[in-house]
Amino acid sequence: GAVVSQHPSRVICKSGTSVKIECRSLDFQATTMFWYRQFPKQSLMLMATSNEGSKATYEQGVEKDKFLINHASLTLSTLTVTSAHPEDSSFYICSARDSGSRTEAFFGQGTRLTVV
Amino acid sequence: GIQVEQSPPDLILQEGANSTLRCNFSDSVNNLQWFHQNPWGQLINLFYIPSGTKQNGRLSATTVATERYSLLYISSSQTTDSGVYFCAVPNTSGTYKYIFGTGTRLKVLA
Repeated sequence: GAVVSQHPSRVICKSGTSVKIECRSLDFQATTMFWYRQFPKQSLMLMATSNEGSKATYEQGVEKDKFLINHASLTLSTLTVTSAHPEDSSFYICSARDSGSRTEAFFGQGTRLTVV
Repeated sequence: GIQVEQSPPDLILQEGANSTLRCNFSDSVNNLQWFHQNPWGQLINLFYIPSGTKQNGRLSATTVATERYSLLYISSSQTTDSGVYFCAVPNTSGTYKYIFGTGTRLKVLA
């Protein structure tokens, strides 16, 4: 199956700093990638859709200025958590769909963010 | 938007037992995926199953799209099957963003 690589897998940062998370499709092109957030013992919540070459679309209630998304190429999307606060601590996971084929989605390994 | 509900929310099994997990969705879908989330958080693709039945070892899945549900069967459960099982369906608005179910937390006891 297709591989989606997410980096870093774990990050600890201080309040007020920004953190960038990368999501790469390693063996396929993805015009669309998706970012999810998961709180402990809860399901995955879709945050935004990342579109190659254009602006991301955010789900209702997600602050676009807090969670900056850039999709500069067909294999890379980045999520930047700006001015992080402890309440931003969470598990973030990306997914990508192969642009050339079916609608099966492939997921990265996830990033556990802790803001201290 | 589409709603995805899973049952049961929690399940405890003795090793060797069989189980059935259910996923109900509120609208028509053109595909569905089942995932196992391991203790480290990684989502493991189990099945991509728009309709019909598929089997992979001790696991099998059936989707009846016309009746808006899917079932995941686990036979002869092992302790390594523990974790959270999610089903997910795409929003059919054209973006294929996946909406996740509420999850079933499974614990298999030795």
